[in-house]
Amino acid sequence: GENVEQHPSTLSVQEGDSAVIKCTYSDSASNYFPWYKQELGKGPQLIIDIRSNVGEKKDQRIAVTLNKTAKHFSLHITETQPEDSAVYFCAASMWSNYQLIWGAGTKLIIKP
Amino acid sequence: EAGVTQFPSHSVIEKGQTVTLRCDPISGHDNLYWYRRVMGKEIKFLLHFVKESKQDESGMPNNRFLAERTGGTYSTLKVQPAELEDSGVYFCASSHPGQTYGYTFGSGTRLTVV
Repeated sequence: GENVEQHPSTLSVQEGDSAVIKCTYSDSASNYFPWYKQELGKGPQLIIDIRSNVGEKKDQRIAVTLNKTAKHFSLHITETQPEDSAVYFCAASMWSNYQLIWGAGTKLIIKP
Repeated sequence: EAGVTQFPSHSVIEKGQTVTLRCDPISGHDNLYWYRRVMGKEIKFLLHFVKESKQDESGMPNNRFLAERTGGTYSTLKVQPAELEDSGVYFCASSHPGQTYGYTFGSGTRLTVV
């Protein structure tokens, strides 16, 4: 079955710097890769997603890149702000299958 | 619109006791999902309802877990009897009919079994 590994488990960056979180997946049939942000006391919230027919997707300060050959995808956050502090999860699935396989999460800390 | 509501937000019970978690999805959302995050590890799928029917319960860990969705509205997840390894955060999510992804999560119930 699908397995998703996420690194690092904790990431601390200076406010204004960029943050990059990386995930690898095992099942080459996976074609949908969402990223979720979980703030303290709240549930995960979808922030960006990408399908396998696209190599990169941007939404303001957030971008996701996908390398299908290497089976890895990354979340990039530029110009980090205090409100970016949260736990970020990557996930993978086949588009036809609603079941998401999740990474273990990355705690992002933005230092003032 | 109101979001997905879960309660209780926290529950501490002793091993061997019974606990029931409740999830109220967004009105009109036929799809309802339960997920669990144990001990800071990855979030894992438990089961999926479409209205009142269990579409997929392949992620349910064992027969100590029972999920129901009365009348296709709110859902409950009962753990009986609870074991130490059941501790974790239980999330519920819901989505519109035909919407596979981008579903809305509740804030979760943190269950601690001591």
